[in-house]
Amino acid sequence: AQTVTQSQPEMSVQEAETVTLSCTYDTSESNYYLFWYKQPPSRQMILVIRQEAYKQQNATENRFSVNFQKAAKSFSLKISDSQLGDTAMYFCALDTGTASKLTFGTGTRLQVTL
Amino acid sequence: DAMVIQNPRYQVTQFGKPVTLSCSQTLNHNVMYWYQQKSSQAPKLLFHYYDKDFNNEADTPDNFQSRRPNTSFCFLDIRSPGLGDAAMYLCATSTRTGADGYTFGSGTRLTVV
Repeated sequence: AQTVTQSQPEMSVQEAETVTLSCTYDTSESNYYLFWYKQPPSRQMILVIRQEAYKQQNATENRFSVNFQKAAKSFSLKISDSQLGDTAMYFCALDTGTASKLTFGTGTRLQVTL
Repeated sequence: DAMVIQNPRYQVTQFGKPVTLSCSQTLNHNVMYWYQQKSSQAPKLLFHYYDKDFNNEADTPDNFQSRRPNTSFCFLDIRSPGLGDAAMYLCATSTRTGADGYTFGSGTRLTVV
């Protein structure tokens, strides 16, 4: 069975600052995919960034980057130059490809303030 | 734009009255999923279709059924909604491997009165 743990229920960051959201996971599979999803209040869940487990290089998408530590089973999200529009619930998720099902963490609610 | 569309956006139903939620996709993805999401919680997978093959989660109540008449459409039927079924219902799609992540619809918020 796969598990995803997000230990920070809520976080706050000032506009233009940098924030890191933590995620750890557990799986016995050797190949898998990790994702961060963003869900703004009352809005659609969208994919922020993805990481393939067999790739050593950390994924980057504009202001969003990850720190993927495969041995430690850690997958944190760094948001640089935070913007008010980054306010949302952020979910870390794992897909092992087995039956192709996403396992979500419990989410981190991020508030960006002026 | 290719997308996942859920209708309606908001649905109010009476306790015990059957209700159907719909989802359509223009991505031509093989896999379609239905998730239930309650307030401030992670989405919970109810079931998914891998092409025409239906896969039910072990803890999904019998009250929840699904139909996928073709690649583009998938329906969630709640036969006898209870107050505890009030939630956001999310439809999502993915390719066969899921490697590119899921594409989610905007969701249907179900209220049971």
